This record gives sequence, C-alpha cells and structure tokens, in this order.
Amino acid sequence: GAGVSQSPRYKVTKRGQDVALRCDPISGHVSLYWYRQALGQGPEFLTYFNYEAQQDKSGLPNDRFSAERPEGSISTLTIQRTEQRDSAMYRCASSPGDPLTEAFFGQGTRLTVV
Amino acid sequence: EDQVTQSPEALRLQEGESSSLNCSYTVSGLRGLFWYRQDPGKGPEFLFTLYSAGEEKEKERLKATLTKKESFLHITAPKPEDSATYLCAALSGNTPLVFGKGTRLSVIA
Repeated sequence: GAGVSQSPRYKVTKRGQDVALRCDPISGHVSLYWYRQALGQGPEFLTYFNYEAQQDKSGLPNDRFSAERPEGSISTLTIQRTEQRDSAMYRCASSPGDPLTEAFFGQGTRLTVV
Repeated sequence: EDQVTQSPEALRLQEGESSSLNCSYTVSGLRGLFWYRQDPGKGPEFLFTLYSAGEEKEKERLKATLTKKESFLHITAPKPEDSATYLCAALSGNTPLVFGKGTRLSVIA
C-alpha cells in the first residue's frame, strides 16, 4: 500500500477482553515500531522489529502486552485481559532501514476499554 | 534516563510572525535528533533528522538547528497551514526514539 495501514481505526472493548491490533507497513520496509500515544503527549515506545526479529520490547508495559511479526511484514500487537488504563492511541511506524532512517507513521488505532 | 523536553507547550503566532521552538535533550551518545509534525487525528509526519552539533536543515519556512544540548525549530513568516503539533525525538545508542510532549503551534491569519 501507499502508507502504513492500521486496523481497526477504533476499538471499544470490555475490561478483561483480549484485543489484537494490526499493522501493515509500507512494502519493503525492514523496521517496524509500535508506539502508544496519550492525548497531548508524544508517542511512547513499545517495541521494535527488524524483519521478523523483535529487537527491543523494553517499552511493553507488562506481560499482558505482546507483539509479533512472523513473516517480516504485517505485525500484530496483542493486549490480553485489557484494563481501563490501556485506553490510548496505538501507533505503528515503519522505516526502510535502521532506526536512523525516516519512519512513516500510520493513522493509529484508538483503543477504548470500558 | 534519556529525556527530551520541548518548550513552549503551546505557541500562538500571528501570520508572518517568526519564532522558534525549543527541544532540550539529555541523552548519552546522541545518534540523531528528529523533528516531526503532527496534525490533529493523524500520525506524526517526518520533517528532519540532525546528526551532529552545528548541523542545520531547511524545508520551506522551517529550519532546524542542533547544538550539544538542544535543537531549535525556527519558523519564518508562518502561515495558518503551519498550525500543528511539532514533536522532537532523540535516538541514542541502542535505545529507541524518545519523544518530547510536543509544542502546539497555532498561526492566526
């Protein structure tokens, strides 16, 4: 596709349910990043993939959060047993090379846990 | 701990009134300083990467500069379409991008 695509755009879920957020990066982009952005704040790093390898997951808040990119393209961020504090905008970005290269962000998934 | 602090939090300018946004960073071994623009409801859009102190980059009415402790985004003769949140981010060592909270710029016609 022309840009980074995230789905769904909006997700409302009940507390305790699991959710899966999808990111389809720009074709050929090697690096893929997941960020979380609260209103009025800058993006907060969650995790980073180089091809299919998860290079850094230091930003994942706890073990309810996990991510995968099994074929080095589409990635899924999964949140198990969601809590209200998980409500936020989740953004995915991809870049053609290493972290120093320009990263392109998707429109994000707005997650609301009720 | 790596930190990026942006000021002011919000800035309101008249069209044509030039100004600067500040990004102070405390990171060990800066590899790159990034500026992004973010419009409401959209993802951040890349503007510049600066790699070393003294470096400058320009794009239309925007010029970014870098020193050893901070970066400035200078906006010359802004127009209403320059209104957005401007985000600064620092990359150091093997740590991921650390973003500041952003500066919300409003340019009034």
